[in-house]
Amino acid sequence: GAVVSQHPSWVICKSGTSVKIECRSLDFQATTMFWYRQFPKQSLMLMATSNEGSKATYEQGVEKDKFLINHASLTLSTLTVTSAHPEDSSFYICSATPTGRANSPLHFGNGTRLTVT
Amino acid sequence: GENVEQHPSTLSVQEGDSAVIKCTYSDSASNYFPWYKQELGKRPQLIIDIRSNVGEKKDQRIAVTLNKTAKHFSLHITETQPEDSAVYFCAARRPGSQFYFGTGTSLTVIP
Repeated sequence: GAVVSQHPSWVICKSGTSVKIECRSLDFQATTMFWYRQFPKQSLMLMATSNEGSKATYEQGVEKDKFLINHASLTLSTLTVTSAHPEDSSFYICSATPTGRANSPLHFGNGTRLTVT
Repeated sequence: GENVEQHPSTLSVQEGDSAVIKCTYSDSASNYFPWYKQELGKRPQLIIDIRSNVGEKKDQRIAVTLNKTAKHFSLHITETQPEDSAVYFCAARRPGSQFYFGTGTSLTVIP
């Protein structure tokens, strides 16, 4: 149980275009989902906390107008990288815990490798 | 906020030996401490976790110990195998808060 699906697993786009990444909790509801960014050989950096039905909470230094987050339902959050640039190339991973189980572990999606050319 | 430090950043062991990774945390209110294993290009996978009401937990070759007073917890892998090679992350969380991750340990098990 507690499966998180993330799509696409990899994407290559041209500079200036936008890319949408989907994160779905398949067998549980998630009021809150988390979006991380990971550079090679580095730790997971929390970008934002996605809240169903309300605005996302962004970490310091993360541009909310560049990384648009929408959490339209209890099982789906999307991250859109707008006007992508080569420096946005990275591994993006979403995660979630079941609603009402505050001390549950994080369940991660399989990640999206974004390459901006 | 919470500050999680993890050591060592890299670790090489011979197959069959034990590996120990240590983490410290700063927030005394943190009460949940998971460990994740991440293979190259894949998602982090939970391998073991411990809550603040216990001092040790074991699952076959993997164990975690927690010292609440000193605010540190450790991952122990015994009888290491090549497939244990990966990056391991510790994390800490206080109730209702986000997870704070350590910087990761790249473990290499040499056959």
